[in-house]
Amino acid sequence: AQSVTQLGSHVSVSEGALVLLRCNYSSSVPPYLFWYVQYPNQGLQLLLKYTTGATLVKGINGFEAEFKKSETSFHLTKPSAHMSDAAEYFCAVSPQGGKLIFGQGTELSVKP
Amino acid sequence: NAGVTQTPKFQVLKTGQSMTLQCAQDMNHEYMSWYRQDPGMGLRLIHYSVGAGITDQGEVPNGYNVSRSTTEDFPLRLLSAAPSQTSVYFCASSYSPSGELFFGEGSRLTVL
Repeated sequence: AQSVTQLGSHVSVSEGALVLLRCNYSSSVPPYLFWYVQYPNQGLQLLLKYTTGATLVKGINGFEAEFKKSETSFHLTKPSAHMSDAAEYFCAVSPQGGKLIFGQGTELSVKP
Repeated sequence: NAGVTQTPKFQVLKTGQSMTLQCAQDMNHEYMSWYRQDPGMGLRLIHYSVGAGITDQGEVPNGYNVSRSTTEDFPLRLLSAAPSQTSVYFCASSYSPSGELFFGEGSRLTVL
């Protein structure tokens, strides 16, 4: 069965610091991988996705993620945090052609 | 474009009452789905549809019914509301089950 684990339900960084949100997955077939962001009282929106090809994926708002098959990981990073990055972030996995399975979410706080 | 529209945004029910959460999309997406979001549990799939007339169960279908008579609409029915169904409900659509999901703004349901 496919599953997604996000390490840390809450991450706090200072403005300008590196953001690292961790995601590990299990999948019996090569997966599609996604990161979504949810701002307060809103629905989720796509940050980035990996399907095939280049393992380093760039998304919106300066975020990127690297697919590491050997580590079954898809960690999300951003070099320099902004106050506007404060939100909840969800990692999701889809076995090829299948439905998305979401992780538990990581709430990111950014301190001035 | 409106995208994915959910109504109502807020609803309070008494135990045993029934209601329907409405979802409509104007992107001609074949795939539509309903999720519930609970603290610390991420998003869990309730029901989904891959096209008009076709629906299937997700991870947590008990207590909910769906139908898909048109491409645009995918209502979620609570047959006899229970306090355990207190949650935020999101409708989403996509061109395929593993494609980018477009989310509505959510419907916050409280069952007393």
